[in-house]
Amino acid sequence: DTGVSQDPRHKITKRGQNVTFRCDPISEHNRLYWYRQTLGQGPEFLTYFQNEAQLEKSRLLSDRFSAERPKGSFSTLEIQRTEQGDSAMYLCASSRVADTEAFFGQGTRLTVV
Amino acid sequence: GIQVEQSPPDLILQEGANSTLRCNFSDSVNNLQWFHQNPWGQLINLFYIPSGTKQNGRLSATTVATERYSLLYISSSQTTDSGVYFCAVERYNNNDMRFGAGTRLTVKP
Repeated sequence: DTGVSQDPRHKITKRGQNVTFRCDPISEHNRLYWYRQTLGQGPEFLTYFQNEAQLEKSRLLSDRFSAERPKGSFSTLEIQRTEQGDSAMYLCASSRVADTEAFFGQGTRLTVV
Repeated sequence: GIQVEQSPPDLILQEGANSTLRCNFSDSVNNLQWFHQNPWGQLINLFYIPSGTKQNGRLSATTVATERYSLLYISSSQTTDSGVYFCAVERYNNNDMRFGAGTRLTVKP
């Protein structure tokens, strides 16, 4: 097992374009989280899945953001009509339900120009 | 929501010095983790420590859950210890782990 994997590592997009990020959690982990981190700040929670069910969403997750986790395996985070304020590091984490220690991927750094 | 405060916000040390980083939280938690964020942005797990004391090499951590704080100790610091250290907590029956603002540690040779 190689840990949590995120793709792509970097993404530069023009304002108004749509982008999609992928997260592959640790294989036996049924909990999956998305976070966003801007420069100089701690990560902020966006959304949480347990298996394929999206159980919690932050107010930060505007209607331009959507996340899915089909079949309870990998997850995607899509941002529609990107804005410059969406520029950030997007982090994915996974954990087991039994013990809640979370492990993070390397992140996807999004730059909107 | 739960509040997480880390102190100090910045810390500059000479190589070989010891340091203590603190994390205060405002509610009971069932998960507390310490992370080190490397220069490429990845969060590296240091400790999963909702209560008690753990040690890993030059690093150790103590969480006093009843008093709602955790401490991370770094002994004989090295330049490779530089970076941002985050504390993150999760409340019972909540699914969002909340992070503090971090402590930026700089270790000078």
